[in-house]
Formats: sequence, C-alpha cells, structure tokens
Amino acid sequence: AQSVAQPEDQVNVAEGNPLTVKCTYSVSGNPYLFWYVQYPNRGLQFLLKYITGDNLVKGSYGFEAEFNKSQTSFHLKKPSALVSDSALYFCAVRARNSGNTPLVFGKGTRLSVIA
Amino acid sequence: GAVVSQHPSRVICKSGTSVKIECRSLDFQATTMFWYRQFPKQSLMLMATSNEGSKATYEQGVEKDKFLINHASLTLSTLTVTSAHPEDSSFYICSARDSTSGFTSEQYFGPGTRLTVT
Repeated sequence: AQSVAQPEDQVNVAEGNPLTVKCTYSVSGNPYLFWYVQYPNRGLQFLLKYITGDNLVKGSYGFEAEFNKSQTSFHLKKPSALVSDSALYFCAVRARNSGNTPLVFGKGTRLSVIA
Repeated sequence: GAVVSQHPSRVICKSGTSVKIECRSLDFQATTMFWYRQFPKQSLMLMATSNEGSKATYEQGVEKDKFLINHASLTLSTLTVTSAHPEDSSFYICSARDSTSGFTSEQYFGPGTRLTVT
C-alpha cells in the first residue's frame, strides 16, 4: 500500500525566511512524487514532481524539493518565503509500477507566511 | 498547460434532489478521470476512478448508487449526487491525467465544486 505522511498540520514562517514543508512516503518500489498547492476554495495546482534523475527538483514559483531515497522523504523548500505563498500544500505519491492509478495524498500542511 | 474545468463552481440544492457536476479536460484527452471529495481543513478523499467507456471503480465506503459517475467521452466525466442530503455537502474536485503522457504525468485538477445541501 502507498501512503504519504505530512507530519506538520501548520508551518509558520516570516516573510523572507527559508521555508520547509516536510513529506515522507511509503511505497513498494520506486516512487513518483509530487507537490501541489491549494488556495482557498480552489482546486490543486501542480508545483513540481520527481520522476527520475537529479534528486533536487525545481518547480513553479521558486519552490524546490529534494528526493531522499534512504530517508523516504521529499521535503518542499523555498529559500525566501513570500506572503503570497500562504496556502495548503499537499505531497502525493504513486508507485512506479502501479499503472494508471491515482495519486495518494498526504493530509496537507497549511503554510502561513507572516509579513 | 493542461486545463480541467468543472461546472458548476458552486451549487445549492434542497435535500432529496439530485445534482450533476461536470468535469472537462479542455486541451487534452483523458482516458481516466478521478473524483475526490474534500472536507474542510482535510485532505482529498478519492471517491472513484472514472474510465472512459466503462464503469467507474469506486473506493471502499463510497455508495455507487448515490454517486453516479459517467465518462462518456475522452474529455467529459460527470458526477451525479442522487437524493442529496445535508451530509453530502462538501467540496468535490475532479482530476485527469493526459492519456498521451504516460504514467509519469501529473494529475491536473479542476477548480472544484462547492455543494451545499439544505
């Protein structure tokens, strides 16, 4: 079975400071990993994904994430947070050999960037 | 980029009536679409997987007779909430994967439909 853990319900960070939103996963075999962001009353927007290759993945809006196989983690990071980054962030996983199955999502982490 | 639309964005209906939500992939074909439900301050709960031209696959605990899913074409899937009750009030989100992009492709999400049953 596939699962995703986002251990923090809420992350608070001051504007201009670096931010990290944590994600660990459990999957049989190698994973496809994704990060999405959701603004109030909106659908999810894709930020970035890890499929293969470089462990550091760069995505939209200055976000990046690092795939760490030994720690089964895929933490989302940004060097300098903006107030507009405040939103709900979801990590998701699919096993590489799982065919056309849907993504499995974590419970989400609410990021609050304070001016 | 790939766009998924949903209609309506917001609907209020009376208890006992049925409501249909449409999900369209605007610039790509989607053999498979997914329907999620999201409660306030919670994650997305997968309800069903909708396959073009065949019956949907429902997740455990989701009533297939209550949540009717039809995927008649490669760009349209519909979710009908039948005999709606206040506990069906929720945010419903559809998602699709580009059929031509392989299994590494991300899922594209619609903007969601806020259903309120009075």
